[in-house]
Amino acid sequence: NAGVTQTPKFQVLKTGQSMTLQCAQDMNHNSMYWYRQDPGMGLRLIYYSASEGTTDKGEVPNGYNVSRLNKREFSLRLESAAPSQTSVYFCASSHEQGAGNQPQHFGDGTRLSIL
Amino acid sequence: GEDVEQSLFLSVREGDSSVINCTYTDSSSTYLYWYKQEPGAGLQLLTYIFSNMDMKQDQRLTVLLNKKDKHLSLRIADTQTGDSAIYFCAESPLSGGYNKLIFGAGTRLAVHP
Repeated sequence: NAGVTQTPKFQVLKTGQSMTLQCAQDMNHNSMYWYRQDPGMGLRLIYYSASEGTTDKGEVPNGYNVSRLNKREFSLRLESAAPSQTSVYFCASSHEQGAGNQPQHFGDGTRLSIL
Repeated sequence: GEDVEQSLFLSVREGDSSVINCTYTDSSSTYLYWYKQEPGAGLQLLTYIFSNMDMKQDQRLTVLLNKKDKHLSLRIADTQTGDSAIYFCAESPLSGGYNKLIFGAGTRLAVHP
């Protein structure tokens, strides 16, 4: 039972390079999320997708784009990476949008460094 | 506003009880969560509590909720070295129209012999 799978696990980029982070879930969840985790700041929502075919901005969307490719997959793209985007990125999924008793399940993260 | 606050560090002796505290601000939150993050891993859901409950117990874990004071705590009985991790409190406010989670900065629990 894989749950939420993120690739790659680690990546180093140069400033200005582009990169797509991949995420797939096998739990038949409708909603998917991308967060970034920075020291001392908890997790902040970048983008979310309430259902297949829809995406919306979260708290910190600038510098990112997303694609909900199908129900299983939700990718995060950095078009022109900046050092401020050095972070650990987590993908999550949940069964229903707006249902607080449907907890989010997280992947293991992608550790991204921008030089 | 939406904000979740936690103390950053807690150190306990193996076998003692650990209590991790959290305060939140959004009274509309119907569910509150505790997640655990081990080094190099993602967040693992430990437990959650519905806002009309005062307490929830699950084996070594006890969650206490004081809705009036917007205070949530996680008690770990007989703390083991495997409990060393970062613990995140999260609230789920009704605003936003989606399954929104607001996380605290996390409490790093260190268990020593």
